[in-house]
Amino acid sequence: DIQMTQSPSSLSASAGDRVTINCRASQSISHYLNWYQQKPGRAPKLLIVSASELQAEVPSRFSGSGSGTSFTLTITSPQAEDVATYYCQQTYSAPTTFGGGTKVELK
Amino acid sequence: QVHLVQSGADVKKPGASVKISCKTSGYSFSSHYIHWVRQAPGHGLEWMGIINPSSGITSYAQKFQGRLRVTRDTSTTTVYMDLSSLRSDDTAVYYCARVGTPYTFFSGYWVTSADLEDWGQGSLVTVSS
Repeated sequence: DIQMTQSPSSLSASAGDRVTINCRASQSISHYLNWYQQKPGRAPKLLIVSASELQAEVPSRFSGSGSGTSFTLTITSPQAEDVATYYCQQTYSAPTTFGGGTKVELK
Repeated sequence: QVHLVQSGADVKKPGASVKISCKTSGYSFSSHYIHWVRQAPGHGLEWMGIINPSSGITSYAQKFQGRLRVTRDTSTTTVYMDLSSLRSDDTAVYYCARVGTPYTFFSGYWVTSADLEDWGQGSLVTVSS
């Protein structure tokens, strides 16, 4: 199975900061990388597919980049509603696997 | 509007089985794969399995082979997840999730079609003696 490693495991940001979350795959997964947002007590929400394609109605302050084994989720000027845990997921090979998550808090 | 509504929380004893339902609506049931994903308390997401609602064909994560069964009822557009031989480490919230793209548009290995656009609300299963 492909292992997905996220860093950091948690971070605290101020409004106006630029938040960067990293996701590394144990082998090349091309661009088959999704990002999810999960708020406490809620189901995950799909934010980004294919490494960089924003889902409809996802704010433009979210962006994704990367290919191969290294990927990044960026939140520019995070808002209070962005407090959540973010997960990456590879869909390159079965079984699909998720990263361990990055918890984002605001100062 | 797409909806996936799951059955409620359940408490089971070790060794028992649990069956969770996922009632779907608002789309063509037979055209979209359904996955099951679980999340242990304070932990991340773990993929369990997938079903093609049209054919009923399934694929499961290796760790659940032999004790996981996913089925569907096309007449009620409901998918079921049955996990047997429960252990304390099966305590988790279990989610069903729908792949947004109809499977006829997917050209790769079907099990990797896992862009999970719509999710159920989750069903907490507690395994305790």
